[in-house]
Amino acid sequence: EAQVTQNPRYLITVTGKKLTVTCSQNMNHEYMSWYRQDPGLGLRQIYYSMNVEVTDKGDVPEGYKVSRKEKRNFPLILESPSPNQTSLYFCASSKTITETRAKNIQYFGAGTRLSVL
Amino acid sequence: GNSVTQMEGPVTLSEEAFLTINCTYTATGYPSLFWYVQYPGEGLQLLLKATKADDKGSNKGFEATYRKETTSFHLEKGSVQVSDSAVYFCALNDYKLSFGAGTTVTVRA
Repeated sequence: EAQVTQNPRYLITVTGKKLTVTCSQNMNHEYMSWYRQDPGLGLRQIYYSMNVEVTDKGDVPEGYKVSRKEKRNFPLILESPSPNQTSLYFCASSKTITETRAKNIQYFGAGTRLSVL
Repeated sequence: GNSVTQMEGPVTLSEEAFLTINCTYTATGYPSLFWYVQYPGEGLQLLLKATKADDKGSNKGFEATYRKETTSFHLEKGSVQVSDSAVYFCALNDYKLSFGAGTTVTVRA
């Protein structure tokens, strides 16, 4: 089954304790992305990756890191989490970024709800 | 830059009522337009899409038409069901996805 898998689904942590949220897709997609969802703000892009070893900042990258060492995995790293990073996080992937990129559908994981105390 | 504005919720309806969620966009290029739906406790799923002006996307009884002249992509369903209760996001894709704030829809039996 084609899917994007995020882990964990729920996480409560304390300020400053490093954490990683994993994301894996089994569709051989080139493009992967992380979003955060906050009430009244919709989804905002944190980082994205157009292919292995190619990553770039989205709209709200501060306080986050990512890596893309393999095509299927795109972990989100919070080196020193703070309470303002309490949010619902989604990983997404799509086939490619080309001249037809605008037509590509993004597939989303089920989300990771993070609380930073 | 690109942006999406959709009507604020929450929206509460009775079963079999007509649903409209307004969505307008600002874009410099020729984006594709999408409606995503998020059911409680789940991730976003594509509901429908339109890739060029005058295209109509449809799925599960929902429809939306890409109107370039009014820069709109309003979502409609003629007769909603309780199972349509969800958060609906309008989005445009022009290199990256830009989302509206989401509209929470609750359908009561």
